Amino acid sequence: ETGVTQTPRHLVMGMTNKKSLKCEQHLGHNAMYWYKQSAKKPLELMFVYSLEERVENNSVPSRFSPECPNSSHLFLHLHTLQPEDSALYLCASSQVLGGKNTGELFFGEGSRLTVL
Amino acid sequence: RKEVEQDPGPFNVPEGATVAFNCTYSNSASQSFFWYRQDCRKEPKLLMSVYSSGNEDGRFTAQLNRASQYISLLIRDSKLSDSATYLCVVTWRIGSYIPTFGRGTSLIVHP
Repeated sequence: ETGVTQTPRHLVMGMTNKKSLKCEQHLGHNAMYWYKQSAKKPLELMFVYSLEERVENNSVPSRFSPECPNSSHLFLHLHTLQPEDSALYLCASSQVLGGKNTGELFFGEGSRLTVL
Repeated sequence: RKEVEQDPGPFNVPEGATVAFNCTYSNSASQSFFWYRQDCRKEPKLLMSVYSSGNEDGRFTAQLNRASQYISLLIRDSKLSDSATYLCVVTWRIGSYIPTFGRGTSLIVHP
């Protein structure tokens, strides 16, 4: 069993649908991340929740909204997506000590999203 | 200008070869540096951290050059199982520490 679990693993949705991606980490970490991975592009950081602070990439459209109810759970709510949003969405967690990230990110296996 | 740049490759090498990858970064205030490995259709996993003095882990050696703002990864005696994409990761602080990935360098080791 991996330390970071993502569901669903695959999701196909229409542009008018509303869906959510879920991530759960069992590592006792205090920071969680959403990354987007598209073909031939670097992993793009979307959101960070770290020590109760949220950092977001300003280029992420508002049709993506994160939610972090506690340090173990992270959601990505999706609504009115576009076909170009089709990608692999990766959740990760890490441990932040004294305000500094210890470095290692532990990733889930990803949720592969297809928007029709 | 891209924040973290890598040559996407692919680097196609025979077993036993030595291969080196470089990565450049734009933010001089960068704090931490790492190499991750990502296998096809899998999630990235940490390969090694990169320290200013350079560090080695078996066949893998990582170097950091802060003055020139690049890091490198050297793989000696390449194995077929080394075939993967190698991702350079640089972390800097915007409030929280933000890990930023390069697009990755593809390595193919052939018999």
